[in-house]
Amino acid sequence: SQTIHQWPATLVQPVGSPLSLECTVEGTSNPNLYWYRQAAGRGLQLLFYSVGIGQISSEVPQNLSASRPQDRQFILSSKKLLLSDSGFYLCAWSVLTGAWNEQFFGPGTRLTVL
Amino acid sequence: AQSVTQLGSHVSVSEGALVLLRCNYSSSVPPYLFWYVQYPNQGLQLLLKYTSAATLVKGINGFEAEFKKSETSFHLTKPSAHMSDAAEYFCAVSDQQGNQFYFGTGTSLTVIP
Repeated sequence: SQTIHQWPATLVQPVGSPLSLECTVEGTSNPNLYWYRQAAGRGLQLLFYSVGIGQISSEVPQNLSASRPQDRQFILSSKKLLLSDSGFYLCAWSVLTGAWNEQFFGPGTRLTVL
Repeated sequence: AQSVTQLGSHVSVSEGALVLLRCNYSSSVPPYLFWYVQYPNQGLQLLLKYTSAATLVKGINGFEAEFKKSETSFHLTKPSAHMSDAAEYFCAVSDQQGNQFYFGTGTSLTVIP
């Protein structure tokens, strides 16, 4: 069966510090991978998605970046965090099944920037 | 372009009462529609999905949703609310290529004992 892991589960970082969040998927190959951010009381904002190694699409211009160094690894990074980067970060994967996709979500990382 | 609108950011129902969470979609092509549930500090879990087969879709935990093309709606219902149903619910639509998902802003469901 497929599983998706995110770490760390929680993170408290000072403003201006770097960030690296990691997401890995097991039990599937060549998945689409996604990073979402969920701010307090708000919906999901798609940040990045990737359809293959080294292929990243950015949905929102900001100080975050994403990389996909391996088929089942997706990393979210920042060189300098802002207060507004606080939120709940969710990684998800999907695989085309017949004519449709469905997304499966990881447990999330709670980031607090102080 | 696809989008979904969830009417009502907060819904409160009494335990045992009907749950109705509203979702309207906008899509220029036949949509694929989903409902997800999120419990506090957890990821999203798929409740059910519509993929152009039966218009009435049954999901987990007693939830179901009906696709109504004429109303561009995909409302989520459950006949009798349980305390464990208290959570955030998200409606989503995906594009035909299946590469992107568009989520609504969510509806927080409170169940009153």
